[in-house]
Amino acid sequence: QKEVEQNSGPLSVPEGAIASLNCTYSDRVSQSFFWYRQYSGKSPELIMSIYSNGDKEDGRFTAQLNKASQYVSLLIRDSQPSDSATYLCASESSASKIIFGSGTRLSIRP
Amino acid sequence: KAGVTQTPRYLIKTRGQQVTLSCSPISGHRSVSWYQQTPGQGLQFLFEYFSETQRNKGNFPGRFSGRQFSNSRSEMNVSTLELGDSALYLCASTPTGGSTEAFFGQGTRLTVV
Repeated sequence: QKEVEQNSGPLSVPEGAIASLNCTYSDRVSQSFFWYRQYSGKSPELIMSIYSNGDKEDGRFTAQLNKASQYVSLLIRDSQPSDSATYLCASESSASKIIFGSGTRLSIRP
Repeated sequence: KAGVTQTPRYLIKTRGQQVTLSCSPISGHRSVSWYQQTPGQGLQFLFEYFSETQRNKGNFPGRFSGRQFSNSRSEMNVSTLELGDSALYLCASTPTGGSTEAFFGQGTRLTVV
């Protein structure tokens, strides 16, 4: 079992709609979770971090964390074509290293 | 504030050779982590250095090694290169490592022929 799992996609969402990205993790002691966006040919860029159960909002992005169910999600409201990218979920493992999922490809269709 | 700087950006090496990649973290950041990214395996953790000490290590063979200098700059070395080592190598820096946010450099694209 991978430590951080994501659906590889592609996830296709119409422009203006809400994109929902999900991630599960296996290490129950993980405390820190991150969402990175990676455009093709570029390096990952941090867009959200979340440490407590519940929701955290930043502009059009909302991260949700449920430690009991061991899942993290990212909602993107009013999706734009520029949001088309691969989204990487990451968690800090018990060994204090950051482990990444394989990423979900998101495509926003005009 | 300058970001994370990786050099070189691109590299072509022959099987059996060795290679050294360099990473300069954001000023004030003391932790540097290295990752290998391939289309099939995604982002895989290689190792993390903090204050010149390797603090964490991933599941890579001993051909992959690294070090960190007193100014927090880090180097990664791969010896006896194999075709499968072709990948994008990314380094990320954090202020103290672990539970703080990591910022990535642009990566070094290594091609082994």
